[in-house]
Amino acid sequence: AAGVIQSPRHLIKEKRETATLKCYPIPRHDTVYWYQQGPGQDPQFLISFYEKMQSDKGSIPDRFSAQQFSDYHSELNMSSLELGDSALYFCASSTSGLAVTDTQYFGPGTRLTVL
Amino acid sequence: AQKITQTQPGMFVQEKEAVTLDCTYDTSDQSYGLFWYKQPSSGEMIFLIYQGSYDEQNATEGRYSLNFQKARKSANLVISASQLGDSAMYFCAMSSPTSGTYKYIFGTGTRLKVLA
Repeated sequence: AAGVIQSPRHLIKEKRETATLKCYPIPRHDTVYWYQQGPGQDPQFLISFYEKMQSDKGSIPDRFSAQQFSDYHSELNMSSLELGDSALYFCASSTSGLAVTDTQYFGPGTRLTVL
Repeated sequence: AQKITQTQPGMFVQEKEAVTLDCTYDTSDQSYGLFWYKQPSSGEMIFLIYQGSYDEQNATEGRYSLNFQKARKSANLVISASQLGDSAMYFCAMSSPTSGTYKYIFGTGTRLKVLA
């Protein structure tokens, strides 16, 4: 079965640089979620999209932006990177994001290291 | 406020034995979902099992079962016949209408080590 695809898997950036993380959801999933997991921490919700529209926003820095495209893939853009942005970034997809029964399926994550 | 609490930072279990990982939750919603995920050292988040607040039967998926006690607001994961490959971090998560788009709120996780 097809899974969520994230690219790149690993990314190393310098402070103040920009980064773009990509997410390709499971086919026919129209909802995408982004989470950030710091070292030794639980995942924290950043932002979500349903049918290409932003549906919810968590503790996402203003330096970050994201969008969902017509083919449902999503990109998380991060600018002016800081050391504290070093984390594992997950993308998850679900069928509708409109019910508590919707299970989110996670991609393998992008490990971002900011030097 | 919605919250997931996992009080066991780490646990050990002997291979082939059963183990219970605790999860309690707090929400004022009547409808919500509870999920367990496994995160091996490689980092990916693997979905294990789901329980809906209106489900009367405890969920089961192979060696995984969820001991759902609604009145106590607990949703403990039971792993039967533990295997070495079960060594990982386990997260309990909740989705509910109050959280908006049913984004997950996670607990802090329990690191399970299976001993040979």
